[in-house]
This record gives sequence, C-alpha cells and structure tokens, in this order.
Amino acid sequence: GENVEQHPSTLSVQEGDSAVIKCTYSDSASNYFPWYKQELGKRPQLIIDIRSNVGEKKDQRIAVTLNKTAKHFSLHITETQPEDSAVYFCAASREDGATNKLIFGTGTLLAVQP
Amino acid sequence: NAGVTQTPKFRVLKTGQSMTLLCAQDMNHEYMYWYRQDPGMGLRLIHYSVGEGTTAKGEVPDGYNVSRLKKQNFLLGLESAAPSQTSVYFCASRDRIYEQYFGPGTRLTVT
Repeated sequence: GENVEQHPSTLSVQEGDSAVIKCTYSDSASNYFPWYKQELGKRPQLIIDIRSNVGEKKDQRIAVTLNKTAKHFSLHITETQPEDSAVYFCAASREDGATNKLIFGTGTLLAVQP
Repeated sequence: NAGVTQTPKFRVLKTGQSMTLLCAQDMNHEYMYWYRQDPGMGLRLIHYSVGEGTTAKGEVPDGYNVSRLKKQNFLLGLESAAPSQTSVYFCASRDRIYEQYFGPGTRLTVT
C-alpha cells in the first residue's frame, strides 16, 4: 500500500540555523504534498504544500522542494526561531477526485534552542 | 465559521464499552476523514468519506465503524472498546483541491 517515510524523527538546532526534514513516498501517482505543523496539545495545521507540477515553493522562511523522479520531498526552514519548535508532518496523496486521502509520515520533533 | 469541531474532547471508557465520536464541519466539504494519533506513529487513517452516504476503510479500520448520514457530520463508533484503542482521534475535512482542516481532537483512554 501507500507509504510515506520521514526523517529524522527528532531534530535539534540552534536559533538562527536552518532545519531540513526529508520524506519519501511510495505511490508514484501521488501529486499533492502538504506539510503540517503540530504544537503540543493542538491540532495539525497546514504550513505549506506543493503540487507535482512545480519543483519548489517558498513562503517567507519556509520552502519545500520536490523530486518526482526520486519520489522525495523536503521541508526547509531558515533562520529558525523558538516558536518553530513543534512536530512537523509530511503527507502525500493522489488527487484524483476519488478519495484524495492523505498518507502521513511519522513526524519530526523539531526543537529550536535559544 | 466554527470550522471542524469534535465532541467530546476527552473520554475514559472501560474495556468492552461502546461510544460514538462526533465530527461536524460547516464548510460544506465533500471529504471527511478520521485519524488516530499515537506517539511515534504519526496520523493513521481509520475511515473516510467522499460524500454524504459514503464511507470507506483507511489504513487501520478494525474495531471502528463510521457513518455519514448528513454531509456536515461524520461519526466514528467503537462497539467494544479495547486498551489498544487508547489514542488521540482527529477528524478532518477538505474540499477537492484545497487544504485539509483538522478538528481539535478527542483524547480517549480505555482502561
């Protein structure tokens, strides 16, 4: 079945450094790749997403890159701040209008040390 | 708009008891999903619905049933709760091409 692998499971960086989280997916028909941020005790919230017709997307300090040939995509956070500390989830889905169900990675706990 | 809401927020059950979790959305979304979240295992899809009156199995459907009699509501039922069903349950909804919104979650403990 579909599978999404996410690495690393934990990541600790100093404030101001960059953080990179990587995901690989198994379903070659996947064409939508969102990233969610979940703070402790809260619901996951979308921070950025990318569709398969583009290779990179940026939103201020956050960027996502996609390599469809290799079936992997990455989240890049620059100039990290303590408020970036959270669990980050990648996901993949086949947006065919039939199910549009997201398959999630197992999450990365990011700790930004002040 | 309230977005996606879930009731209850917390619940403690004894093994063998039953309960229903209610998810409601006011965004007129077609697709609705139930996930469970366990430490180190991410969000796993239990069941989902692509429209009123439809349901389908996700990755971990055993021990759960669902119904979507109205477009805005998606119910998750546990007929005979087991300790392995202790988890945080999230409901989510989305439209065809837009982002998926999550509810606030229900923390369920089965003793």
